[in-house]
Amino acid sequence: AQKITQTQPGMFVQEKEAVTLDCTYDTSDQSYGLFWYKQPSSGEMIFLIYQGSYDEQNATEGRYSLNFQKARKSANLVISASQLGDSAMYFCAMRNFYRGSTLGRLYFGRGTQLTVWP
Amino acid sequence: DAGVTQSPTHLIKTRGQQVTLRCSPKSGHDTVSWYQQALGQGPQFIFQYYEEEERQRGNFPDRFSGHQFPNYSSELNVNALLLGDSALYLCASSLWAPGITNEKLFFGSGTQLSVL
Repeated sequence: AQKITQTQPGMFVQEKEAVTLDCTYDTSDQSYGLFWYKQPSSGEMIFLIYQGSYDEQNATEGRYSLNFQKARKSANLVISASQLGDSAMYFCAMRNFYRGSTLGRLYFGRGTQLTVWP
Repeated sequence: DAGVTQSPTHLIKTRGQQVTLRCSPKSGHDTVSWYQQALGQGPQFIFQYYEEEERQRGNFPDRFSGHQFPNYSSELNVNALLLGDSALYLCASSLWAPGITNEKLFFGSGTQLSVL
């Protein structure tokens, strides 16, 4: 069974500093995808970054990068130059690929509440 | 370009009642998934609809049912509400893409259901 573990209930970072949010996963599948979503207090889940299990390069999207260590089954999110607007809940998620397509469901971790202070 | 829209935004029901939540996917998307997010938890997958059929289902009882319409919009129905059904219900849409693995889900802002 797929499982996502986020061990940091809360993280604090000063504005303009970098922060790493931890995520480990467990799956017996060889092909899978890893996602990070941001959930502000409004409730909407906002896509941040994606890493495929066969991608050799770590994914980057602007200030977000994913530190993917396949052997250790970890997919940590790095946010560089934190901004006050980054304060939110962050979720790591994994997708299995249903019949080789994107119909797979997402398995979410419990999230990490990030607080950015001035 | 409208994103995923959900209605209503908030709902209060009493135990034993039935509720229907609605979702319109992002323009161009044909797949709708529903997730339940209890307070302080990550979202849990309820089920997914594609081509008006339920394709996958999570570990939820039969009290949870759904429907997808020809215009790809979807409804989530919950019968015989329990206190434990109180949660944020999120709808997510995507485009079915065989062989493409990085298609991301777009989420709505959810419906906050409170069962008293």
